Amino acid sequence: EAGVTQSPTHLIKTRGQQATLRCSPISGHTSVYWYQQALGLGLQFLLWYDEGEERNRGNFPPRFSGRQFPNYSSELNVNALELEDSALYLCASSLRYEAFFGQGTRLTVV
Amino acid sequence: AQSVSQHNHHVILSEAASLELGCNYSYGGTVNLFWYVQYPGQHLQLLLKYFSGDPLVKGIKGFEAEFIKSKFSFNLRKPSVQWSDTAEYFCAVNARRRDSSYKLIFGSGTRLLVRP
Repeated sequence: EAGVTQSPTHLIKTRGQQATLRCSPISGHTSVYWYQQALGLGLQFLLWYDEGEERNRGNFPPRFSGRQFPNYSSELNVNALELEDSALYLCASSLRYEAFFGQGTRLTVV
Repeated sequence: AQSVSQHNHHVILSEAASLELGCNYSYGGTVNLFWYVQYPGQHLQLLLKYFSGDPLVKGIKGFEAEFIKSKFSFNLRKPSVQWSDTAEYFCAVNARRRDSSYKLIFGSGTRLLVRP
């Protein structure tokens, strides 16, 4: 069974640009969570999608957005990138209980 | 609002010392509880989980956790840590909402450094 896959693995953008990160959940999982893991700041909750709908979002500005597609894959968009957006972005998928994490996308803003 | 609190952000221990990492959550309904671990350079993986039954659960690598419902706690323990336990540990709660969906909430994490 394939795990959670995220693409790209690494992404380098310049300040002001937009970044798009993708996540494919485990087959059958309907929930997708996005987290930001910046150095020294632990896991910061970004967004939660379930059954195609945004269920909750964390304390991040509106330039962080996303969506979930009918096949339950998800996309995270970050507009107007700032240097402090540099972090590891983790996606997790869940059916009801435990979550399974992908390897993450390392976003570097220069 | 539902939340998960991990009391220690950084813990430094010597090998063979005992470990206890605190985790408290605020939610009065049905919950499932987890501890995840992230070893340096690796992705988050499940250490152990509690759904129901015996409140003392055992996970991989000698870790265990005890669910104390009255204290809303799910502390992680290991009698004797090893250098290879150096990692970041996250407590998580999956809370059942009114529409029967589940919301996963993570604590901020505890960085454990084990000195050889």
